Amino acid sequence: DAGVIQSPRHEVTEMGQEVTLRCKPISGHDYLFWYRQTMMRGLELLIYFNNNVPIDDSGMPEDRFSAKMPNASFSTLKIQPSEPRDSAVYFCASSLQRGPMGETQYFGPGTRLLVL
Amino acid sequence: AQKVTQAQTEISVVEKEDVTLDCVYETRDTTYYLFWYKQPPSGELVFLIRRNSFDEQNEISGRYSWNFQKSTSSFNFTITASQVVDSAVYFCALSVEGDDYKLSFGAGTTVTVRA
Repeated sequence: DAGVIQSPRHEVTEMGQEVTLRCKPISGHDYLFWYRQTMMRGLELLIYFNNNVPIDDSGMPEDRFSAKMPNASFSTLKIQPSEPRDSAVYFCASSLQRGPMGETQYFGPGTRLLVL
Repeated sequence: AQKVTQAQTEISVVEKEDVTLDCVYETRDTTYYLFWYKQPPSGELVFLIRRNSFDEQNEISGRYSWNFQKSTSSFNFTITASQVVDSAVYFCALSVEGDDYKLSFGAGTTVTVRA
C-alpha cells in the first residue's frame, strides 16, 4: 500500500506569496493531521481532521493558515500571505481510527518550505 | 497536560556499540500510548513501535528493544550493535485518551554512529 503522499517535496517562495501544500492520506484512514517542524519548536500539531471534518485547529498559528479536506483522499494546507518565519518542514500524517487498535500515525515525507 | 522529555540531545557512538535512548513521560491519564519514531537524514518520520499503558511487556525487534516501566514513567529504547544506518533523530511521543489521542513529541535525540 502507498504511504502518505505529500506534494510538493520542496517549495521556495517569496514573502507575500500564497503557498499550498497537499496531502493524500493512506486509503481507509479516518484521521488526518498536519504538523510543522522547526528547530526552535520541534514538531507541532497544527490541525487534524476526522472523516474530513476539522476537529481541532488550535495549533494553527494565525489566520494566514488554513486547511481543508474536501474528501477522504485529499487535504490542503494553505498559507496566505507567506512570511519568512513560516519556513519549516510541514508533515502530513494519517491514522486508521481512535481506540485501542488505532492511534498510530503514519507520516508523509514532508514538504520543506522556504520563504524568502 | 502531557509532556515527553528526552534529556539526551545528542549521542555519538562507534559502530557496534549499544546505545540507549531515554524517554520520560508525564500524564494523569490511565489510558495512553507511547511511540518511537525515527527521522533519518533524508527527513521522513518513520514509525518504529507503539506500546499501550496496559502492556508493560518489553519488546525486542531485531537489534531494537524497548523497556517500558510505568513505575518510573519511562519508555527507553536500545539499539544493539549499532550501525551507521542507525544515524538519525529519534523521537519519543505520547498520546492520551483524555486529549483525543493527539501526539505530544519529545525534542528528539540525535544519534550519530561512526564507522
